[in-house]
Amino acid sequence: NAGVTQTPKFRVLKTGQSMTLLCAQDMNHEYMYWYRQDPGMGLRLIHYSVGEGTTAKGEVPDGYNVSRLKKQNFLLGLESAAPSQTSVYFCASSPSGSYNEQFFGPGTRLTVL
Amino acid sequence: DQQVKQNSPSLSVQEGRISILNCDYTNSMFDYFLWYKKYPAEGPTFLISISSIKDKNEDGRFTVFLNKSAKHLSLHIVPSQPGDSAVYFCAASGGSQGNLIFGKGTKLSVKP
Repeated sequence: NAGVTQTPKFRVLKTGQSMTLLCAQDMNHEYMYWYRQDPGMGLRLIHYSVGEGTTAKGEVPDGYNVSRLKKQNFLLGLESAAPSQTSVYFCASSPSGSYNEQFFGPGTRLTVL
Repeated sequence: DQQVKQNSPSLSVQEGRISILNCDYTNSMFDYFLWYKKYPAEGPTFLISISSIKDKNEDGRFTVFLNKSAKHLSLHIVPSQPGDSAVYFCAASGGSQGNLIFGKGTKLSVKP
């Protein structure tokens, strides 16, 4: 089992460009999450999904969109990247919501110039 | 306002001694608490958790204590090992979605 994988590992964008980050999990988990981590900060939830075809906003959703067309994949999109979106992005999954640990991917380091 | 606070950005401990990492929370609706460990350039990995109906949970060298009246939890690592050097995040959740609120982390350095 690969667990949670993220593609790409690194990316540099120019302001205004768009991109999609892909998260895949092979554990048949229902719930998936996207976080960002900035220096000196904890992880902050961007968007999450409680099942295939569902998405919901987290703490810092502005400037991002997500889709969960397949249970195993959760995509995070940036339509028009801004320097404030320079961050490390982590995807996570869990079997269900409450009282469950979340399993994290290795992260994507994004720099927006 | 931060709902989960880790007030010590860093902690240095000698190998073999006890490491105590602290975490405070403000939201009394939180009912499940987790600790994650994170090495550089890797994702966080789950370490140990505790539900609000307990006051202690132990797993090998790691013990988490929960004091609900003080809204405080702590992670004890005994004995500390150099491989424990990492950033430790405290997280809390409440509600059916299980969304986690993370603290800012404490960087633990265990010196040989």
